[in-house]
Amino acid sequence: LAKTTQPISMDSYEGQEVNITCSHNNIATNDYITWYQQFPSQGPRFIIQGYKTKVTNEVASLFIPADRKSSTLSLPRVSLSDTAVYYCLVGDKGLTGGGNKLTFGTGTQLKVEL
Amino acid sequence: NAGVTQTPKFRVLKTGQSMTLLCAQDMNHEYMYWYRQDPGMGLRLIHYSVGEGTTAKGEVPDGYNVSRLKKQNFLLGLESAAPSQTSVYFCASRDSVKEQYFGPGTRLTVT
Repeated sequence: LAKTTQPISMDSYEGQEVNITCSHNNIATNDYITWYQQFPSQGPRFIIQGYKTKVTNEVASLFIPADRKSSTLSLPRVSLSDTAVYYCLVGDKGLTGGGNKLTFGTGTQLKVEL
Repeated sequence: NAGVTQTPKFRVLKTGQSMTLLCAQDMNHEYMYWYRQDPGMGLRLIHYSVGEGTTAKGEVPDGYNVSRLKKQNFLLGLESAAPSQTSVYFCASRDSVKEQYFGPGTRLTVT
């Protein structure tokens, strides 16, 4: 299983760009990198997924270098409502294993202030 | 389209009692999962299913059993509850493509 390492917490202010980096040194060839967001008393919510280079959607960007041993989630112009825990996961995308290799670490607590 | 629902939302059990948590999804997803989340920690996979009639052990399966008799439902059972099983339980489902959809969670306290 590919283990991930993220900062425990980060602080930011409204309107700033936030970059959260995740290390996954033993990522496997078949593994994808997925980020989830979790608010208190709620289940995690999918943010973005990628395999290499850059992926962008309406809420975030994901940067993955060529060696794939790390990845960076970029949140543009954060607001107070982005205060949450962000999890980086590395695992098989969706074969018969059913995603059993997905492991949630302790995540990064992002706190956004005015 | 309700997504993933969990029943009940809260429950208090005494040590040794049994109960079943129900997870239902209306997205026709093949894969379903049960996780537990303890305070200040990430989610840990208890059991999962890759389709109707199948189940498999995850990271922390001891003390739990599951069943997937219907594609839309995934049941998590505690035969003899212990205080160590006090946690928030999340169910999730996924199609074969990308993301897992999570339910709102069940907060279980075992005294």
